[in-house]
Amino acid sequence: DAMVIQNPRYQVTQFGKPVTLSCSQTLNHNVMYWYQQKSSQAPKLLFHYYDKDFNNEADTPDNFQSRRPNTSFCFLDIRSPGLGDAAMYLCATSRGKDPPSNEQFFGPGTRLTVL
Amino acid sequence: GQNIDQPTEMTATEGAIVQINCTYQTSGFNGLFWYQQHAGEAPTFLSYNVLDGLEEKGRFSSFLSRSKGYSYLLLKELQMKDSASYLCASVDSNYQLIWGAGTKLIIKP
Repeated sequence: DAMVIQNPRYQVTQFGKPVTLSCSQTLNHNVMYWYQQKSSQAPKLLFHYYDKDFNNEADTPDNFQSRRPNTSFCFLDIRSPGLGDAAMYLCATSRGKDPPSNEQFFGPGTRLTVL
Repeated sequence: GQNIDQPTEMTATEGAIVQINCTYQTSGFNGLFWYQQHAGEAPTFLSYNVLDGLEEKGRFSSFLSRSKGYSYLLLKELQMKDSASYLCASVDSNYQLIWGAGTKLIIKP
């Protein structure tokens, strides 16, 4: 089945220790998104790629970086995690950016705990 | 600014009908999505409206009024598995999704 896969599902890291979250997709979608979601809050868009074109949200901290080496894979790097970075990180894909191709398909998420 | 408002929490009874409202103020408008999110899981797509009116999909229907900046999600014949958060997301002029914080729906037997 075509899907969005995130690994790991649960990640524990220490304060200040770099961590990488991964996302892969078999949908062959052009757009990939990374969201941060804290409990009972809206998903917050961190960045998105339209193919190789990287788009960083203005309020995304420099501590967060992303890589998309090919169509299928996208990585979220947190250089120095702080306690406030503990959250669910959601990867999503869409065929395009214009409706209705911008329907987003989500992976199961990675729950990050920072000790 | 851009803003999406929806109630924080609602409670309904199994078998009943519930309507979850969403109002939006975004720079430009290119449609509105509803997603369902069970606790600890990823959001899943429910509906997309870009034209005024009601769209029905089985037990779920979604309504849009562009002139009022208003949408609702209607859930009929509620089942226990419908307990989840329901997120409204408006598409702005840059085709970005502006997300609401979600409405937590609690279903009681």
